Amino acid sequence: AQRVTQPEKLLSVFKGAPVELKCNYSYSGSPELFWYVQYSRQRLQLLLRHISRESIKGFTADLNKGETSFHLKKPFAQEEDSAMYYCALSGPNSGYSTLTFGKGTMLLVSP
Amino acid sequence: KAGVTQTPRYLIKTRGQQVTLSCSPISGHRSVSWYQQTPGQGLQFLFEYFSETQRNKGNFPGRFSGRQFSNSRSEMNVSTLELGDSALYLCASSGGTGNTEAFFGQGTRLTVV
Repeated sequence: AQRVTQPEKLLSVFKGAPVELKCNYSYSGSPELFWYVQYSRQRLQLLLRHISRESIKGFTADLNKGETSFHLKKPFAQEEDSAMYYCALSGPNSGYSTLTFGKGTMLLVSP
Repeated sequence: KAGVTQTPRYLIKTRGQQVTLSCSPISGHRSVSWYQQTPGQGLQFLFEYFSETQRNKGNFPGRFSGRQFSNSRSEMNVSTLELGDSALYLCASSGGTGNTEAFFGQGTRLTVV
């Protein structure tokens, strides 16, 4: 069965500190991995996906197939990064059309 | 272009009733997926429609059903409502062919009393 695990419900850091939001997954095959973000009172939106290998708002994520992880990192957190972050995967079994989400990590960045 | 639109935004229903939620995807998107979001279970996939056909289905009871119209708009229906159906229901649309980004609506908050 496919599963996404985000071990931390809440991560609290100070502005300027490094951030790492952990995500581990289980899937038989080659999934696509995503990070979605939900800012306060806004809709869920895509932050980044592993196939694009982009850095968005200073965030990066590297897919480690050996450790089945897709951790989200940012070297210097900003207050505006405070939000709920969800790791998700899609796979060929569903034609890459559906998403399996982790339960999310709330990131709080204090001044 | 306009984003994914869900109506209504809020609903209060009584146990045993049924409810219909609506989702208008981004113009040109042919895939519509529905998700249930609760504090305990997080975001769970309900079903996906593509070109008026249900293409994928999650592990929800048959009380949860949906359909998609020729203009790609989708409806989700829940019959015989239970207290545990109280949740935020999110709709997402995408192009539907291969690895494409899912765009989410604001959601419909359903409260069952």
